[in-house]
Amino acid sequence: EIVLTQSPGTLSLSPGERATLSCRTSQSVSNSYLAWYQQKPGQAPRLLIYGVSSRATGIPDRFSGSGSGTDFTLTISRLEPEDFAVYYCQQYGSSPAPFGGGTKVEIK
Amino acid sequence: EVQLVESGGGLVKPGGSLRLSCAASGFTFSSYSLTWVRQAPGKGLEWVSFISSSSHYIYYADSVKGRFTISRDTAKNSLYLQMNSLRVEDTAVYYCARDPGSHYVPWCFDLWGRGTLVTVSS
Repeated sequence: EIVLTQSPGTLSLSPGERATLSCRTSQSVSNSYLAWYQQKPGQAPRLLIYGVSSRATGIPDRFSGSGSGTDFTLTISRLEPEDFAVYYCQQYGSSPAPFGGGTKVEIK
Repeated sequence: EVQLVESGGGLVKPGGSLRLSCAASGFTFSSYSLTWVRQAPGKGLEWVSFISSSSHYIYYADSVKGRFTISRDTAKNSLYLQMNSLRVEDTAVYYCARDPGSHYVPWCFDLWGRGTLVTVSS
């Protein structure tokens, strides 16, 4: 069973800074089946990125995904106040479809 | 409005049962595969169970296999999760989530409900 490890656990940054979040998988992800979600307190997750690098509908272009094999990255080019949240990666296309443990992006 | 609305959560004793429902609206229910995802208080997301658009393909996480049963009713535009032999560690907010298509294996999720809280405690 594939395991997803996200780092760092918490990222403390200021608005306007660049955020780089990592997701490493225990096995190579086939067919680029990796997604990223954003979750704010008291809310359901929201799909940001699917297929490693495709932005979901309505997601601003400051969010970008990259990577291959077992190493993946979510980059937020310039943090806006509404971007401070928890981010999860997820592998899909097979069962189970696990999530990573999450990275919290907090205001410094 | 395109939405998913969960219901059926509550307080139940260990060993008890509960049935969650998820009502879909604003889209063609029969065209999409669906999934239950849960989140324990203060913890991360855990994939629980998947059902394809036709109900022919069903998968469960090892942690719930043999205890939970996923099903759907197209006539009622509803998804269900029957939870038996509940344990304290099943305490979580349970979300239903929509696959962006009709895949026959678990996929990513483009639409989520707001969740329903299940608390298992004596």
